[in-house]
This record gives sequence, C-alpha cells and structure tokens, in this order.
Amino acid sequence: GAGVSQSPRYKVAKRGQDVALRCDPISGHVSLFWYQQALGQGPEFLTYFQNEAQLDKSGLPSDRFFAERPEGSVSTLKIQRTQQEDSAVYLCASSFRAGDNSPLHFGNGTRLTVT
Amino acid sequence: TQLLEQSPQFLSIQEGENLTVYCNSSSVFSSLQWYRQEPGEGPVLLVTVVTGGEVKKLKRLTFQFGDARKDSSLHITAAQPGDTGLYLCAGEQTGANNLFFGTGTRLTVIP
Repeated sequence: GAGVSQSPRYKVAKRGQDVALRCDPISGHVSLFWYQQALGQGPEFLTYFQNEAQLDKSGLPSDRFFAERPEGSVSTLKIQRTQQEDSAVYLCASSFRAGDNSPLHFGNGTRLTVT
Repeated sequence: TQLLEQSPQFLSIQEGENLTVYCNSSSVFSSLQWYRQEPGEGPVLLVTVVTGGEVKKLKRLTFQFGDARKDSSLHITAAQPGDTGLYLCAGEQTGANNLFFGTGTRLTVIP
C-alpha cells in the first residue's frame, strides 16, 4: 500500500516480556517518528530518525525502550522487560523531508497491552 | 507533560449545532497543525497554519492561529455525525524535530 504500515496491530505481552514493533514508512520518506498514545490522550513524542540517523531520542521514557532504522526505511521499536505502564498505542509517522512543516503521515498504530 | 492544552476534553452535540475547540499554550510555535483521529486509526492532517492571525477554512471547518502564535481554535459549523472523532492540535517549534500534540478533544455528533 501507499501508506505507513505498522505491525502487529495488536500485541499482548506478559509483564517482563520483550516486544518488537515494526513500522514501514512511505517509500522515500526521510523522516520517521515514533509516538506513544495513552487511551483518550494526544500522542507523545518518543524518538525521531532522519534516514538511518536517530537524531532525537529525548522522549523515550526509559532505557528499556530502543529504536532503530538501520537502512533508513523500516524501523523497529523494541521494549524490553515490559511493564503495565507501557500499555498504549504506539504510532509511527513519516514525512517526505525534515522539518519545514512537512506533513506527517501516520500509521494505524500498534496497541500494546501488558498484563 | 504536554505543552498544548485543549478544551473542552469531551463534547457531545446534536447534528446541526456549531462548536469551537480551543488549543492553548504558553509557548510560541512556528506552525500549528490540526488532526482528526478515528478509533483504531492514526491521526489524519486537516490543516497547517503558520502565520499569526491566519484563518483557514476547510468546508464547514474554520481554523485560526492566534496573533502571538501560542493558541489556535477550530470552529465547526452545522456539525454532522461524520465529524465525530478525536481532534488534536499539534505545534512545531523552531529547531525542534518533533510535533508537540495537544491533549485532544473527543467530539460526538448525535444524529
């Protein structure tokens, strides 16, 4: 498809398990963002990539969160030793260029539930 | 902590009514975007405003950026059930890499 694709759509993990969330951005998009959205709230920034470079990871809530985009296209967000407070929708967005009001295109998210 | 506060948080109105959603901050933004998000989907961009005082219209939706570029409003005229959704404002700051999203306004339009 032409849009941002995220997988899986739903993930249930037991507390303490590791999870990996995948994002396929729109082909050719330079910028890629990960956001965390709690139920009924606005998305909160986690991290930003420009091509393969992770330029900003200031929003990652702890060192259990790790993101990569090794070839400048597909990105993976990994959460180690999941906790209940990690339960949220994780949104990926891409844009054609960096900054300059370039519009973000969001995927439909991965809903993570930690039990 | 979110830089942008939206009000009201929830809004339930009858079809045909008008409504206004507010997005406020103590910070200045170089641009401000409005998104609509439906359940199970990602936010979809509605409009971007970049100039203080700017007004943009999109059919029945009117967006305004405050003169000081710290606040914005979204006005919907004659709301339709299809307008139901979560409305999010998001601000971009010069030199920042990311958008700061507001707290969201969940709108329900009752037929």
